[in-house]
Amino acid sequence: AQKVTQAQTEISVVEKEDVTLDCVYETRDTTYYLFWYKQPPSGELVFLIRRNSFDEQNEISGRYSWNFQKSTSSFNFTITASQVVDSAVYFCALSVAGGTSYGKLTFGQGTILTVHP
Amino acid sequence: DGGITQSPKYLFRKEGQNVTLSCEQNLNHDAMYWYRQDPGQGLRLIYYSQIVNDFQKGDIAEGYSVSREKKESFPLTVTSAQKNPTAFYLCASSIAAGNTIYFGEGSWLTVV
Repeated sequence: AQKVTQAQTEISVVEKEDVTLDCVYETRDTTYYLFWYKQPPSGELVFLIRRNSFDEQNEISGRYSWNFQKSTSSFNFTITASQVVDSAVYFCALSVAGGTSYGKLTFGQGTILTVHP
Repeated sequence: DGGITQSPKYLFRKEGQNVTLSCEQNLNHDAMYWYRQDPGQGLRLIYYSQIVNDFQKGDIAEGYSVSREKKESFPLTVTSAQKNPTAFYLCASSIAAGNTIYFGEGSWLTVV
């Protein structure tokens, strides 16, 4: 079975601060995919990134960056110079390639990020 | 515009009634999913379908039913057997199982 843990329930920062959202996962599969989604107040989940288990390169997209470390089973997400529009719930998720769980997402509990002006 | 459309956005149901949530996608995706989200919690998988005319139970399928008669449609029925149906329901799809899953805007169901 797969498990995703987001230990930070809520984070509050002031605009322009950097913030890191933690994600730790558990799986016995050797091939898997990790995701981050953003859920603004409107409710829709917005896809941010997908990484496969064979690619540990960190990725940067504008103010967003992701740090994938298989050694610690972590896939952390950093927002640089946060803005009020970044306020949302952020979910980390995992899917595996194969078996009865193929393609299904297992979600963490989510981290509520509030960015104050 | 391509995307996933869920309707209605808000729905109120009396106890003992069945209700059906609509999900349509025009992305030509083979796989479709239904997730449930309760306040302050992550999403849990109800049902998923990898191809037309085939679907499997997810982690919390009891009290729910689905059909997949067309590639673009995956309606979810919340039956009276579902003991605590008040929640936010999200439909999703992907090109195929294992690919990135994209979500609709969700439907709020409240039992009154």
